[in-house]
Amino acid sequence: KNQVEQSPQSLIILEGKNCTLQCNYTVSPFSNLRWYKQDTGRGPVSLTIMTFSENTKSNGRYTATLDADTKQSSLHITASQLSDSASYICVVTSNDYKLSFGAGTTVTVRA
Amino acid sequence: DGGITQSPKYLFRKEGQNVTLSCEQNLNHDAMYWYRQDPGQGLRLIYYSQIVNDFQKGDIAEGYSVSREKKESFPLTVTSAQKNPTAFYLCASSPVGGGRGYNEQFFGPGTRLTVL
Repeated sequence: KNQVEQSPQSLIILEGKNCTLQCNYTVSPFSNLRWYKQDTGRGPVSLTIMTFSENTKSNGRYTATLDADTKQSSLHITASQLSDSASYICVVTSNDYKLSFGAGTTVTVRA
Repeated sequence: DGGITQSPKYLFRKEGQNVTLSCEQNLNHDAMYWYRQDPGQGLRLIYYSQIVNDFQKGDIAEGYSVSREKKESFPLTVTSAQKNPTAFYLCASSPVGGGRGYNEQFFGPGTRLTVL
């Protein structure tokens, strides 16, 4: 069964600090991995996408990494801002276009 | 201004009633999807449609029904047969296949359904 596990479930950080979110998956065969940001009460918005051959991708203060051998990904948020408070969802797609969603990590940034 | 709209934003239903959630997109995408989101769980696929007048069941289709009469519209009906319908419902769309390996789904703002 294809699974996507995210950790931690939630975290609180002070404004200006960095944090890293983890995503482990068992999806096979692997096509790509996306990180989405979901603000409370809104739909998810794509942050980054990585295929098998890519091991890092940046989008502003967001940097995602992928280790396809160990089936792990991380999302690093640099110099956090209050607007970074959201849920971050890891989504892995298999070669037959089936998506597997993680439960998300809720990030709260405090002033 | 392209995008996906869902209405209503909040919906309250009495037990035993059917309700229909609206989803419209003007992105000219062929594929549309309905997901259910519950606290502490990943999104779960209810139904999806790759082309007009055709749709397939997802992982949790029981108690739900859909139609795809127009490319732009993919309404979801939550029937009285759905035993636990209180949830956040998300509609999404994508180009068919999205290119090999690139199948980004664009999500609407969601509808929160509460059964009273």
